[in-house]
Amino acid sequence: EDQVTQSPEALRLQEGESSSLNCSYTVSGLRGLFWYRQDPGKGPEFLFTLYSAGEEKEKERLKATLTKKESFLHITAPKPEDSATYLCASNQAGTALIFGKGTTLSVSS
Amino acid sequence: NAGVMQNPRHLVRRRGQEARLRCSPMKGHSHVYWYRQLPEEGLKFMVYLQKENIIDESGMPKERFSAEFPKEGPSILRIQQVVRGDSAAYFCASGQSFSNTEAFFGQGTRLTVV
Repeated sequence: EDQVTQSPEALRLQEGESSSLNCSYTVSGLRGLFWYRQDPGKGPEFLFTLYSAGEEKEKERLKATLTKKESFLHITAPKPEDSATYLCASNQAGTALIFGKGTTLSVSS
Repeated sequence: NAGVMQNPRHLVRRRGQEARLRCSPMKGHSHVYWYRQLPEEGLKFMVYLQKENIIDESGMPKERFSAEFPKEGPSILRIQQVVRGDSAAYFCASGQSFSNTEAFFGQGTRLTVV
């Protein structure tokens, strides 16, 4: 069965304290690996898509990387406004996204 | 450039009533996905539709739930005879095509069954 597992479930950081979120997947014939951000009471906001091992993408303080079995979302010098739940998802061609349960990030000043 | 629009944002139904959730995809998108999110749980896939076709409904409960995406108008997720366990946030996402799998989400409909 295709699965996406995220760790840790929750992460508390001080402002400026860099860290990484992990997403491991067991999807045969992976089409893409997706990262979303979700704020309370809102829909997921698209961040990145990664398609092949070795690929990296950056957006402000966030950088997503992909290997053959997992993806990392690196957060550099986070700010309180980066506090949110970060969701990882993957899929095969022509199928819907399979989501992990997410990592809830809290950044305190 | 409007994003994915869902309405209503909040819906309260008594047990046994019907709930209708609407989703208008982004302009130019012909693929719609419905997901359900329960407290402390991840997004669970329900159904994947293209205009006038159901592509994959493997995540949809066999009874009481149905979905459509007509040629004209929004996609509708319909829940008949709602029960308390149906209370959840329902999200719709849209995408351009099979080859472009990036999906953009709406703000969700929060269904409460009392």
